[in-house]
Amino acid sequence: QKEVEQNSGPLSVPEGAIASLNCTYSDRGSQSFFWYRQYSGKSPELIMFIYSNGDKEDGRFTAQLNKASQYVSLLIRDSQPSDSATYLCAVNYRGGYNKLIFGAGTRLAVHP
Amino acid sequence: DVKVTQSSRYLVKRTGEKVFLECVQDMDHENMFWYRQDPGLGLRLIYFSYDVKMKEKGDIPEGYSVSREKKERFSLILESASTNQTSMYLCASGLSGGGRTGYEQYFGPGTRLTVT
Repeated sequence: QKEVEQNSGPLSVPEGAIASLNCTYSDRGSQSFFWYRQYSGKSPELIMFIYSNGDKEDGRFTAQLNKASQYVSLLIRDSQPSDSATYLCAVNYRGGYNKLIFGAGTRLAVHP
Repeated sequence: DVKVTQSSRYLVKRTGEKVFLECVQDMDHENMFWYRQDPGLGLRLIYFSYDVKMKEKGDIPEGYSVSREKKERFSLILESASTNQTSMYLCASGLSGGGRTGYEQYFGPGTRLTVT
């Protein structure tokens, strides 16, 4: 079982819709969760982090964390074509050294 | 804003050459990381450093070495480049987290290395 799992996609949504991206993780003791956005040919950009169960909102983005079920999700409201990218989920590695464990990413395509 | 810079965006080298990739961060971060990213394989950690002159192997260190002589600078060295090291190389930096917070990493723009 991979430590951080994401559906590779592509997830295709129409412009203006809500895009829902999901991530599951295997280490029940993980405490820090991150979402990165990566445009094709570019480097990952941190867009959200969440530490506590529940929702965290930032503009059109909402991160949701459910530690009991070991999943974290990212909702993008009013999706725009400019949101088309690969979204990487990352979880802190509890073995030390501040490493992050990254998922393979979900490709999102927002079509006009 | 956190700024992480990498010495080259694109690099073409020949098999057997020694290759240096440099990364500089301006946020006084303790930790620095080198990843490579290949289609279908995701981000893979090559080496990381949690302090000056300190380094730890990541998941795929073979064929690579690193150097961190100053806190802001972390270099990746390909001792003898091979075609299977053609990849996108990404540097990242971050603070030393504790408890739940401080683990986020910030990436440089990446270096696309082609070894022919």
